[in-house]
Amino acid sequence: RKEVEQDPGPFNVPEGATVAFNCTYSNSASQSFFWYRQDCRKEPKLLMSVYSSGNEDGRFTAQLNRASQYISLLIRDSKLSDSATYLCVVTPYSSASKIIFGSGTRLSIRP
Amino acid sequence: GAVVSQHPSRVICKSGTSVKIECRSLDFQATTMFWYRQFPKKSLMLMATSNEGSKATYEQGVEKDKFLINHASLTLSTLTVTSAHPEDSSFYICSATGTPAFYNEQFFGPGTRLTVL
Repeated sequence: RKEVEQDPGPFNVPEGATVAFNCTYSNSASQSFFWYRQDCRKEPKLLMSVYSSGNEDGRFTAQLNRASQYISLLIRDSKLSDSATYLCVVTPYSSASKIIFGSGTRLSIRP
Repeated sequence: GAVVSQHPSRVICKSGTSVKIECRSLDFQATTMFWYRQFPKKSLMLMATSNEGSKATYEQGVEKDKFLINHASLTLSTLTVTSAHPEDSSFYICSATGTPAFYNEQFFGPGTRLTVL
């Protein structure tokens, strides 16, 4: 089983729709969780950290479910500019900086 | 703040030559730098972790004699692809974390696209 798994998609949704995707992780000792966004041929950029209590940043909401070992990302009122690959990122150890990337979920927003 | 640069952004070379890629943290001290490789439509794969002043730790399956990593200062790490072959053509991305504490957030360079003919 992969340490971090994501549905590769692609998710193809109309502008204005709400879309959500999950990411599961296998190591229950994982400490830190993030969503990154990667545009085609560009480097990943941090979208948001994921806290135990869940967090929201504008149209984006991230949640963590430790019992079921998954994190989620919800995008409301999607924009064309949201089209990208969304990478789930997990840091498995509390004291190390090594992080593990999921393979990414491709999202395409159509007009 | 927290800007990471990479140079060159794109390089095309002949098979058998060596290519050096530089990764610099511009406004912070990068105690740890990471090197990733990404093939088209694939996920980022960690190649090695580099701590300033010590030898890099390579991931399983990554040849340390082929991918030489040097992290001689707190702001610079280099990756040298020795005797490059077409199968080494990929997008190489570095990232850095360090002081002040970034709570495990990594800052990525813009990447270097290597094409080996």
